Amino acid sequence: DSGVTQTPKHLITATGQRVTLRCSPRSGDLSVYWYQQSLDQGLQFLIQYYNGEERAKGNILERFSAQQFPDLHSELNLSSLELGDSALYFCASSTTPLAGETQYFGPGTRLLVL
Amino acid sequence: DAKTTQPTSMDCAEGRAANLPCNHSTISGNEYVYWYRQIHSQGPQYIIHGLKNNETNEMASLIITEDRKSSTLILPHATLRDTAVYYCIVRVTGSGNTGKLIFGQGTTLQVKP
Repeated sequence: DSGVTQTPKHLITATGQRVTLRCSPRSGDLSVYWYQQSLDQGLQFLIQYYNGEERAKGNILERFSAQQFPDLHSELNLSSLELGDSALYFCASSTTPLAGETQYFGPGTRLLVL
Repeated sequence: DAKTTQPTSMDCAEGRAANLPCNHSTISGNEYVYWYRQIHSQGPQYIIHGLKNNETNEMASLIITEDRKSSTLILPHATLRDTAVYYCIVRVTGSGNTGKLIFGQGTTLQVKP
């Protein structure tokens, strides 16, 4: 158990819908990262937050957005869902946003868009 | 971040040492080598990391060549539960750099009884 929690574990929805994925970092961690893992793209970095502020952006679609709240939990919002958005979404956290800090990953949310 | 090259798959007998190689010939002086593994769609699990000295922890050992262009992750006594995809990642450290991890395709290690 990494100490990072993600809800829900599974999500099934339809094209065009909007969903919210939630992540609670390890106690004491200020930085949160979101990754997407699809069959054809592998694990890809989406976005990073540190203490409520966006720190880095990766291959995140404009239909996706995220935020980190004052209690440090983070939410990833996916809208106008397409079939290709079906994937595993992982959240990770680290103490600081520095590249040398170890990231600890949550169990993921499996999203299926029908 | 430097690119890494790993074999697509490897087999190992249970109880034997598993040696997973990684090439990172374009690594820079300030880049660390990190290893993560992912067991069957679970969240990636941190294993070990190092800069230029060999490192050991309760999970594994990391051997980095003197020129730092390649490294080997060693699981000393592989068990069936070590069957996973192993990712070798090189990352720049220090302030001003983002913490993002760039995953390649990794090595699928199959531990056989």
